[in-house]
Amino acid sequence: AQKVTQAQTEISVVEKEDVTLDCVYETRDTTYYLFWYKQPPSGELVFLIRRNSFDEQNEISGRYSWNFQKSTSSFNFTITASQVVDSAVYFCAQSGGTGFQKLVFGTGTRLLVSP
Amino acid sequence: ETGVTQSPTHLIKTRGQQVTLRCSSQSGHNTVSWYQQALGQGPQFIFQYYREEENGRGNFPPRFSGLQFPNYSSELNVNALELDDSALYLCASSLARGEPIYNEQFFGPGTRLTVL
Repeated sequence: AQKVTQAQTEISVVEKEDVTLDCVYETRDTTYYLFWYKQPPSGELVFLIRRNSFDEQNEISGRYSWNFQKSTSSFNFTITASQVVDSAVYFCAQSGGTGFQKLVFGTGTRLLVSP
Repeated sequence: ETGVTQSPTHLIKTRGQQVTLRCSSQSGHNTVSWYQQALGQGPQFIFQYYREEENGRGNFPPRFSGLQFPNYSSELNVNALELDDSALYLCASSLARGEPIYNEQFFGPGTRLTVL
């Protein structure tokens, strides 16, 4: 069975601080995908990134970076120099790689960035 | 290209009533998945429809049912509403090609259901 754990319920930082959101996943699939989504107060899920299980290369996109480590089943998300607009709930999710695919989400981490 | 749309945006019902939520998939997509997101929780998979048939189901009771139409739009029906059904209901559409690749899911804005 698939499971995603986001142990951090809420994180508060001051603008310009760096912050890392943790994600630990469980799966028996050899092929799978990992995701991060942002959910602002409006409620719509905003896709941030997708990684497949065969690609452990870390990725950087502007102030965002992701660290994927299969050895620890983790897919952590770092925001560098946080901004007030980063305030939102962030979800880590997982999907199987073949056949029937559904997204399994973690419980989310609420990030509050204050000025 | 039109994105995923859902209607209505908000809905208030009373316990025991029935509700129908609607989702129009993105143009060209043949698969629709429905998720329930209770307050303070992550979205949970309800079921998925592929070419008008239920393709998979999460841990939800039979009073949650769905339909997919020939144009690939979809409905989520919930009978005998309970207070715990209050949630944001999200639908996501994708294009399943029958290949061993990930089929990107595009989410709609959601319908917020309140059961009193």
